[in-house]
Amino acid sequence: DTEVTQTPKHLVMGMTNKKSLKCEQHMGHRAMYWYKQKAKKPPELMFVYSYEKLSINESVPSRFSPECPNSSLLNLHLHALQPEDSALYLCASSWTELGSYEQYFGPGTRLTVT
Amino acid sequence: DQQVKQNSPSLSVQEGRISILNCDYTNSMFDYFLWYKKYPAEGPTFLISISSIKDKNEDGRFTVFLNKSAKHLSLHIVPSQPGDSAVYFCAASARSNFGNEKLTFGTGTRLTIIP
Repeated sequence: DTEVTQTPKHLVMGMTNKKSLKCEQHMGHRAMYWYKQKAKKPPELMFVYSYEKLSINESVPSRFSPECPNSSLLNLHLHALQPEDSALYLCASSWTELGSYEQYFGPGTRLTVT
Repeated sequence: DQQVKQNSPSLSVQEGRISILNCDYTNSMFDYFLWYKKYPAEGPTFLISISSIKDKNEDGRFTVFLNKSAKHLSLHIVPSQPGDSAVYFCAASARSNFGNEKLTFGTGTRLTIIP
């Protein structure tokens, strides 16, 4: 099973709203990632969690707040977003053992900020 | 600075023929390369990877070739099938930290297989 699930599939929110994106994997992966993808662009890394600890923050604005409650779950809390934050948000996971570097992606959440 | 480049934004190939997608990189620290396939409204799907200690890796219809001296890799799909129509991303990493390497993605090539 190489499935990463993400909810919701679509989200429309106003600039004053607070919402959360959720990601789940049951492959025993110990690294989890958030990416942002704009139309016709490649995915851009936002955050990396390794063994439930934040290991990489790619200078993401504080209106995006990640959380890793346990090794299977990854959340992205959103607050006071801007219209330019509208994008596809992708979650991914991977092993951490030597020799396994492939990241497996979820289907994404299509976020629209109005 | 685009460290991973896919210079062909689109490619059309007849069904049954070979599809060749190209990728160039500039960072000599990259030592692991991956290809992902992406359908609209879905996340990228891992296809095949290659370590810099190899120059070829094959998996079924998919073969990836790596030319380190030219900093170039290519994905060959043969025979091409209609279901192969998708956007293909090349990605690269420098394996400084096991398990949470940053992947740098290319801009993608849209492959269309013509029946």
